[in-house]
Amino acid sequence: DQQVKQNSPSLSVQEGRISILNCDYTNSMFDYFLWYKKYPAEGPTFLISISSIKDKNEDGRFTVFLNKSAKHLSLHIVPSQPGDSAVYFCAAGGSGTYKYIFGTGTRLKVLA
Amino acid sequence: EAQVTQNPRYLITVTGKKLTVTCSQNMNHEYMSWYRQDPGLGLRQIYYSMNVEVTDKGDVPEGYKVSRKEKRNFPLILESPSPNQTSLYFCASRMGQGGPEAFFGQGTRLTVV
Repeated sequence: DQQVKQNSPSLSVQEGRISILNCDYTNSMFDYFLWYKKYPAEGPTFLISISSIKDKNEDGRFTVFLNKSAKHLSLHIVPSQPGDSAVYFCAAGGSGTYKYIFGTGTRLKVLA
Repeated sequence: EAQVTQNPRYLITVTGKKLTVTCSQNMNHEYMSWYRQDPGLGLRQIYYSMNVEVTDKGDVPEGYKVSRKEKRNFPLILESPSPNQTSLYFCASRMGQGGPEAFFGQGTRLTVV
């Protein structure tokens, strides 16, 4: 049973446009959510997180939105750059958790 | 430089031959964990450790062992590797309970034939 789902395996976006990556979860106990970026031959890199007391968190070009009623979060990248081309993983866990559940990843390609 | 170091980066081995993948962090983090990444399955946690001598199972612990004798090191042991353990393995660390998995190692690509 996949508790965290990324239903789009891949996404292509033109440079300068917005990239929107989506993530759905099923466990209502999750209250802390994260996004990671992964380049080939490297480990994942933490990008941005959000707790359930917020519905939006921004860090530069990256914004994460959380819709608790829909059990859905999204990562917006504006403007998209070729260097953003990578696999993006969302992850979720309970507050104070030692354990996170990761999605299967979405491969983003930003076209120059 | 803050980092998590895994060794080896690549390993091809035969079924049943015991192996150890090492993981070391230089940030004095209390919490460390091991994940495996497989196509279509994302990252799945194998084991985690909250501190020295304190470890617990993640989602897919079967066939693996870990130890945490020192704070900086968290080796992953495959006593009798099988082909279904062919995967990409990542070690991660963070300061403590809560917060993101802050640092990941570069990964170990293991092939068991």
